[in-house]
Parts: sequence; C-alpha cells; structure tokens
Amino acid sequence: QKEVEQNSGPLSVPEGAIASLNCTYSDRGSQSFFWYRQYSGKSPELIMSIYSNGDKEDGRFTAQLNKASQYVSLLIRDSQPSDSATYLCAAQSGGSYIPTFGRGTSLIVHP
Amino acid sequence: KAGVTQTPRYLIKTRGQQVTLSCSPISGHRSVSWYQQTPGQGLQFLFEYFSETQRNKGNFPGRFSGRQFSNSRSEMNVSTLELGDSALYLCASSPTGDPSYEQYFGPGTRLTVT
Repeated sequence: QKEVEQNSGPLSVPEGAIASLNCTYSDRGSQSFFWYRQYSGKSPELIMSIYSNGDKEDGRFTAQLNKASQYVSLLIRDSQPSDSATYLCAAQSGGSYIPTFGRGTSLIVHP
Repeated sequence: KAGVTQTPRYLIKTRGQQVTLSCSPISGHRSVSWYQQTPGQGLQFLFEYFSETQRNKGNFPGRFSGRQFSNSRSEMNVSTLELGDSALYLCASSPTGDPSYEQYFGPGTRLTVT
C-alpha cells in the first residue's frame, strides 16, 4: 500500500516567516513529486513539481527532495496571509499513472 | 489557455438516483483523471483515461464509471447514489500519457446526496 504522510496541522506561522511543510512517502519507486495548494472550498492548484534530489526554487517557494530518506518538503519564504491554505503532497511511481496524495497540512499565516 | 472546466458545479440528488458529471480538459491535454475528495478520506483516485481508454481504476464500486470522448472530454457516472457519495468530484488533466507530468485540476463538482 503506497502511502504519503503529512502532518495535518494546523501549522501556524507569523506573516513574513518561513513556513516549512513536510511529507514522507512509503514507495521507494516514487519518481515524481508534487505540491498542491488548496484553499477552502476550492480545487487543488499545482505549486511545484520536483523529480531530482536537492532543492528547486520558484519565487517564494522551494521544494526539497531527499529520496534516500523518502522525504519531500516545501518551504514558503516571507509567508503571507494569502498563503493560508491546505497543502497537499503527492508522489507518483515510475510507470504509474496514479499519484498518491497525502491528506494535506493546514497552514495558517497570521498578521 | 483556458483551464479545466467541470459541469455542473453543484448538484443535489436523492439516494437511488444517478448522476453524470462532465469534464473538459485543457486544450491539447489527452489524459483525464477523476478524484473524489471528502473530509474523511482525503483525495481518492477514481479512474484515468487516455485516448478514450481507461488505463487505471481506483478502489471504487462498479457504480462509478466513466468514459472519454475523441475530443478528450470526459464524463463520469454514478448510479444508485448513496449518502456516502456526497463529495467534491475533481477532474484533472495532463498533457500526455507520461505519468511524470503534472496534473491540473478543474474547479470540481460538489455533489450532495440527500
């Protein structure tokens, strides 16, 4: 059973701080990893994808992947109240067309 | 480029009825996946279509079915609705059959079964 684990939170950070969201996955064959943001009552929105070990930066977002530890993280720098949402982590195995989603971490950025 | 569209956006049905949901993928995208999202179970995969062929199916009863048309538009059908089918149904499209490509979600159809 492939699993993706996330702390449900909520993770509360002050405005301007760095928010760190973490995710672990069980399937060592996972090759593609995705972070989605989902506002309450809305659909998931793709933020980042990462495929190789290391860091990938896009604006205020940095995704980090460590395949040896089966660990993916998302850092949000200079957090804004508009970043308050649930963040979903997904992992996809090579050759599989079905990503496995975590249950999401709720992030609250307070002014 | 227009995003994924889903119709209807909201639906209220009675137990025992059936429902059909529609999804139009991003232009040029050939892969369409369907998900069910509930507070209790999170995001669960229903099925995935590519070039009118169902390639994968999740762990849902046969009451849940789908199809894809030659223009990549997709429909899913739920027959004999149960209260537990109340959920947000999400469609996601992807450019090709390569599973490493990102998926882009539509706004969803919120189904309430009474």
